[in-house]
Amino acid sequence: SQQGEEDPQALSIQEGENATMNCSYKTSINNLQWYRQNSGRGLVHLILIRSNEREKHSGRLRVTLDTSKKSSSLLITASRAADTASYFCATDYSGGGADGLTFGKGTHLIIQP
Amino acid sequence: DAGVIQSPRHEVTEMGQEVTLRCKPISGHDYLFWYRQTMMRGLELLIYFNNNVPIDDSGMPEDRFSAKMPNASFSTLKIQPSEPRDSAVYFCASSFVSPKNIQYFGAGTRLSVL
Repeated sequence: SQQGEEDPQALSIQEGENATMNCSYKTSINNLQWYRQNSGRGLVHLILIRSNEREKHSGRLRVTLDTSKKSSSLLITASRAADTASYFCATDYSGGGADGLTFGKGTHLIIQP
Repeated sequence: DAGVIQSPRHEVTEMGQEVTLRCKPISGHDYLFWYRQTMMRGLELLIYFNNNVPIDDSGMPEDRFSAKMPNASFSTLKIQPSEPRDSAVYFCASSFVSPKNIQYFGAGTRLSVL
């Protein structure tokens, strides 16, 4: 499978702490995206990082990309209860073949109040 | 824009019945995707359209599944006959210009086949 794989599968932290999730993938990519899914809802796009970028910020989110290791991380700083959700990485592939995005199975993040 | 709109939000049916799921993409988006989400398999792409034309249906599990997009503002996913293993959440998403761009998801249809 060319799926991105998130790690860990589940993460529980206290409100105010930082949460870090990782994504590994298998082949060369053009870009990598992170999405959030709240319970009972659809996925919502958070941030996109291109293969020539190493780090990107958006509010309390920080995404890094290491193409040599084929991995990305999503850091949420100063977590809030509202950050409780599942987080997915999605990759596109630059080598032809399947079009579109391939989603991982997600990290389920629980923020304890 | 109201975003991607799916209906119904919940569907409960009995095995063997026909099920039709509906989707209205964001106006102006030229790509439409149908996904299925289960705990076991995660989010799977079933089929996607470009300008109303099916481009890749390799993810459609069986002939029981069919999808249509008669115009730019409407698509259906039909399961006939339905089986208990079809129980899942089905999402529709749309994007603009490229299937690799940001995708905008609907709220999903939770299907339960008894």
